Amino acid sequence: NAGVTQTPKFQVLKTGQSMTLQCAQDMNHEYMSWYRQDPGMGLRLIHYSVGAGITDQGEVPNGYNVSRSTTEDFPLRLLSAAPSQTSVYFCASSSPGLNTEAFFGQGTRLTVV
Amino acid sequence: AQTVTQSQPEMSVQEAETVTLSCTYDTSENNYYLFWYKQPPSRQMILVIRQEAYKQQNATENRFSVNFQKAAKSFSLKISDSQLGDTAMYFCAFMFQTGANNLFFGTGTRLTVIP
Repeated sequence: NAGVTQTPKFQVLKTGQSMTLQCAQDMNHEYMSWYRQDPGMGLRLIHYSVGAGITDQGEVPNGYNVSRSTTEDFPLRLLSAAPSQTSVYFCASSSPGLNTEAFFGQGTRLTVV
Repeated sequence: AQTVTQSQPEMSVQEAETVTLSCTYDTSENNYYLFWYKQPPSRQMILVIRQEAYKQQNATENRFSVNFQKAAKSFSLKISDSQLGDTAMYFCAFMFQTGANNLFFGTGTRLTVIP
């Protein structure tokens, strides 16, 4: 079972470049979300989606864009990369209801120089 | 955003000993979930244990158990018979029972198991 798949695993960008972090899940989960992990700060929510066509901002949305055209995919776009976006990015998915659990991808380490 | 506090940035324990990681949180909600995640050097986020706020009984998973004190808003993780493979970063996290299942994380505790 693939679960939640993130690509790429590592990426180096130059300031001002744009890129898309891919996230796909094969568990038919309605909910998907993006987090960034920075040293000493834990994981913080960037954007999330409760279903195809529905997205909303999290705690740190500035500089990022998302869309959800299918249940399976939830890409995260950096429109103009900045050094402050150097971080490890995690995608997660889950389903609503009791006894729910968030499943995480392997993470993407992004460096902006 | 909910506040989750882990006051121990680093801890160490001797192999086969017991260690307790602390976590406190702040919420006005009555129904929610609490989690402990393990992040080894591989970077993968691994669910260790979960607790439903409506359950009075503390959750246990093999060598891992929690002490959930709802009134005190405290959620500590006890690891018994520590193993070298327990060396990792541990995150405490909060989730509302209703909503989009978004997680609010603490800043983490880096645990080192010493052989």
